[in-house]
Amino acid sequence: QQQVKQSPQSLIVQKGGISIINCAYENTAFDYFPWYQQFPGKGPALLIAIRPDVSEKKEGRFTISFNKSAKQFSLHIMDSQPGDSATYFCAAKRGSNYQLIWGAGTKLIIKP
Amino acid sequence: GAVVSQHPSRVICKSGTSVKIECRSLDFQATTMFWYRQFPKQSLMLMATSNEGSKATYEQGVEKDKFLINHASLTLSTLTVTSAHPEDSSFYICSARGGSTQYFGPGTRLTVL
Repeated sequence: QQQVKQSPQSLIVQKGGISIINCAYENTAFDYFPWYQQFPGKGPALLIAIRPDVSEKKEGRFTISFNKSAKQFSLHIMDSQPGDSATYFCAAKRGSNYQLIWGAGTKLIIKP
Repeated sequence: GAVVSQHPSRVICKSGTSVKIECRSLDFQATTMFWYRQFPKQSLMLMATSNEGSKATYEQGVEKDKFLINHASLTLSTLTVTSAHPEDSSFYICSARGGSTQYFGPGTRLTVL
């Protein structure tokens, strides 16, 4: 019930294409869903986040789509660039102690 | 804003020594900080949650006597790996809570010889 399932494990997209990463959860008590971007040897950096009362949030080329009834959310990267090549993690916040439950990560490669 | 620093970025030590890693929130106060461990090509594994002024809460399977956490102020938390052994070699990352968001440090690569 506490898991967040992320897919795909790896993804190769051509430059200029759309990258889509999906996550699914079971616990309806989750109330905050961030996406993080991590480059090799670096800590994760917050990319974009959404709350379950919103179905979509867009920041620049990055969009989160949220489907509360299906308990799924996804990250869309428009006009993907080589600099977007990184590992992306979805997460969900549980409880008042603000702990995050993490997806397994998706390694994204953007081919020039 | 919301910058978290971590020091050192890389440390190599001999087996049996202790290593201290510092995590600082530079431009905000963090009542809650988190310590993670990350193995190559894997997700983040939460080790412990620390609240300023109180004892850290460790996740199941994490040895509290081996991984000592001190959250003495609203901007500083430390992780001490005591009597480190090669199996403790890993990438350690801290985060600090700002609102609902966790902001991460750059990580510390620990190598125990």
